[in-house]
Amino acid sequence: GQNIDQPTEMTATEGAIVQINCTYQTSGFNGLFWYQQHAGEAPTFLSYNVLDGLEEKGRFSSFLSRSKGYSYLLLKELQMKDSASYLCAAPGAGSYQLTFGKGTKLSVIP
Amino acid sequence: DVKVTQSSRYLVKRTGEKVFLECVQDMDHENMFWYRQDPGLGLRLIYFSYDVKMKEKGDIPEGYSVSREKKERFSLILESASTNQTSMYLCASSLLSRLSTDTQYFGPGTRLTVL
Repeated sequence: GQNIDQPTEMTATEGAIVQINCTYQTSGFNGLFWYQQHAGEAPTFLSYNVLDGLEEKGRFSSFLSRSKGYSYLLLKELQMKDSASYLCAAPGAGSYQLTFGKGTKLSVIP
Repeated sequence: DVKVTQSSRYLVKRTGEKVFLECVQDMDHENMFWYRQDPGLGLRLIYFSYDVKMKEKGDIPEGYSVSREKKERFSLILESASTNQTSMYLCASSLLSRLSTDTQYFGPGTRLTVL
């Protein structure tokens, strides 16, 4: 199975950079997902990392270190609309399932 | 674009009622999932299906059943609703069968309140 940990809440200032960390303990590893979820809405896909390193996608980047069981989501040039929960998720080896972390609620303040 | 729809955004039911939550996806996805989301507990998998008429239990299947008679439709059934089943229910689908690494696309959610 999977055990996924991420901070519960974070606050950052508009225009700044924020890093949201995720650590995982797995019985197997098959990549790591990040999802964004605005309050009252469905989660939407942000990124998927299966290899070590940083993947950049506009203002958002995601990093993975498989040897350390660690990932982070980096948000640059923060905007008010980035206020949301960010969910880290990992599939199990040989499993159909995704195990989600409890999510990090990011508040962007002026 | 993938579209996953759920039959209701908000639902209020009474204890003991039988409740049906419907989910439909329009992209011919193999896998479909039902989750519930509660504050402080995150997303938890109830049931999933990797093919028509196939289903497997997730982490918290007790008190729930599912039905997948057609590829595009996956129903969650609460046989006898209880107050502890008050929650946000999210349906998701993904393309590739038997591969959990494919992206899951979520419906808008159904907020169920059981009185």
